[in-house]
Amino acid sequence: DADVTQTPRNRITKTGKRIMLECSQTKGHDRMYWYRQDPGLGLRLIYYSFDVKDINKGEISDGYSVSRQAQAKFSLSLESAIPNQTALYFCATKDSDSGIAGELFFGEGSRLTVL
Amino acid sequence: AQRVTQPEKLLSVFKGAPVELKCNYSYSGSPELFWYVQYSRQRLQLLLRHISRESIKGFTADLNKGETSFHLKKPFAQEEDSAMYYCALTPSTGFQKLVFGTGTRLLVSP
Repeated sequence: DADVTQTPRNRITKTGKRIMLECSQTKGHDRMYWYRQDPGLGLRLIYYSFDVKDINKGEISDGYSVSRQAQAKFSLSLESAIPNQTALYFCATKDSDSGIAGELFFGEGSRLTVL
Repeated sequence: AQRVTQPEKLLSVFKGAPVELKCNYSYSGSPELFWYVQYSRQRLQLLLRHISRESIKGFTADLNKGETSFHLKKPFAQEEDSAMYYCALTPSTGFQKLVFGTGTRLLVSP
């Protein structure tokens, strides 16, 4: 199932570098989300978007920015990466028409290491 | 504020034993609750949702509003149940985002 695709899958970078993680989906969903996963901390929401012109901060948005270039694309940027941003990043999508019970569909994750 | 707590990082059981993964939540309104699962080398995926009152792969979960809990249960664990399990919450007034717990790794040994 490649409906939600994240690139790159793995990235090693240095402190201070700018990094972009990309997410694209073919599911036709309007809502897209970026989470990060850390051992012992679970999944925490970074940003989410209900459509191209509606972007919202999550619980840990500091140090991150996003761009919703089209309904199908939602990019996460780290303007100046720092080591504590080392994590596994997940993109997810949801169809708003699916209502309260609707499922989030996740990508395979992008593992980022900041040295 | 919405908060989901999964007190166990790791739960290890033998095949055939009963399993209960604990989930407690904190939310002033009426929540909708979900369990998501991540098997090895697979994507995170929905396991079950309270609103559907469903049983998936032998798992069930009951919402206890008095105890603010949504524990996941299975009477007889199988090796293929080994995975990472996340409890998640959204307000029942409308789905905007999912708040996840910290996750519990279930390990089922033969």
